[in-house]
Order: sequence, then structure tokens, then C-alpha cells
Amino acid sequence: QVQLQESGPGLVKPSQTLSLTCTVSGASISSPDHYWNWIRQHPGKGLECIGYIYANGTTYYSPSLKSRVMISLDTSNNKFSLKLNSVTAADTAFYYCARGSYSRSWTGDYYYYGMDVWGQGTTATVSS
Amino acid sequence: DIVLTQSPLSLPVTPGEPASISCRSSQSLLHSSGHNFLEWYVQKPGQSPQLLIYLASNRASGVPDRFSGSGSGTDFTLKISGVAAEDVGLYYCMQTLQTWTFGQGTKVEIK
Repeated sequence: QVQLQESGPGLVKPSQTLSLTCTVSGASISSPDHYWNWIRQHPGKGLECIGYIYANGTTYYSPSLKSRVMISLDTSNNKFSLKLNSVTAADTAFYYCARGSYSRSWTGDYYYYGMDVWGQGTTATVSS
Repeated sequence: DIVLTQSPLSLPVTPGEPASISCRSSQSLLHSSGHNFLEWYVQKPGQSPQLLIYLASNRASGVPDRFSGSGSGTDFTLKISGVAAEDVGLYYCMQTLQTWTFGQGTKVEIK
């Protein structure tokens, strides 16, 4: 059974860096069939994609966060991480990691089959 | 960015009755491959989101067959053939054609 678990400090000071880790069990983050996501949900609001990473290290970031975000893989420990720098109160949210499935056609097109496993999520509060 | 607009935002339902949620996109989600890059998720109270439908009409593994997705281009629909009490929650559509975005969510609740 595949499980994802987010971890990280619940409280971060403004202008500092939010660092979160997602530990994956029951699957390998090196799988060529999957990509690994970070999604957040502001209090009482909807869902927002932060970005994702493929097993080969290729990343995609939301344009609105691209200048401040980095997602990376730790294959030795089967984890992937999120770093969001220069945080403000607007970054206070519930953060989820999730696994997605995809394939590529011979023409190079990506086909996405949804995010089928999600972590329980973790709260990150930005406050001095 | 592609904007997804869901309707209704609130949907009171009677158990056993059908329910339908609309998701309209500001741009076509039809890829040159013929697939529509649209997914549906449900977030039950106190839980993480769960995948229901991918590529507009494909049910994810383990999803009851009372859930179905349809549509193409800019208009999509999630249907529940007979709502069960356990189906209450927030339903989101999401597009993966361009900068990924979610709809604002539809709250399904029991009357």
C-alpha cells in the first residue's frame, strides 16, 4: 500500500524559507510512471498546485510561485521536498504531497492519469 | 491561466437521487491526442482529496461506478447516479492541459 507523509515545521517566520518533506512508502520515487506533487489549500479555500517533479528530476512550478519555489528528490531516502522562500502570511496554508501517474507518447506528449495517492497534509503558518 | 468555473457551488441532495456538477473551462481542454485533460476530485470532511476521474471520463481505481465523468472541450460534467451519504464533500475539477488549475469547488451535502 502506497503511503505519503508530509513533515516539516508548523511555524515559519516571514521572509524565511518553508521546508517540507514528503516521505513515500510502498512505492519508489524513482518510478518512471509517476510524478510527485505539492498542492496547498489556504484556510477555507480551494486547492492550488505548487509544482511537481518527475523521477528524472524535471520539475514544473506554478508561474505565480516559480521565483520562490524548489522541489527536489531524495532517492536515497525515498523522499521529495518542497522549499518555498521569502514566505509571507499569504503562504499560510495546508500543504499536501501527492503521487500522480502519467505516460508519454512517442511524440513526447504527456498524458496524466490523476493524483491517486495523497498525504494527510500538514499545516504551515507564517507568523513572527 | 485557464479558469475552471464549477456550478452549482452548493448542491443539497437526497440520498439515492442523482446529482450532477458542471465544470466549464475558459479554454478548450481537448488535446491534439483526442484526450480531454480534466480530472475530478472529492475532498470529504476532514480528509485529503481523492481522485475520482481522469482524462474527463475514466474512473480511477476503486471508485464506485455510480460516479461518471463526461464532456469535451470546455464543458464537463460529473454525475453521481444515486448519491450515498458517504459522498458528501467538496468536489473539484482540475485541468492539466496548461498551468494546472482547480475549479472553486462544489459542496455536496445531504438534504
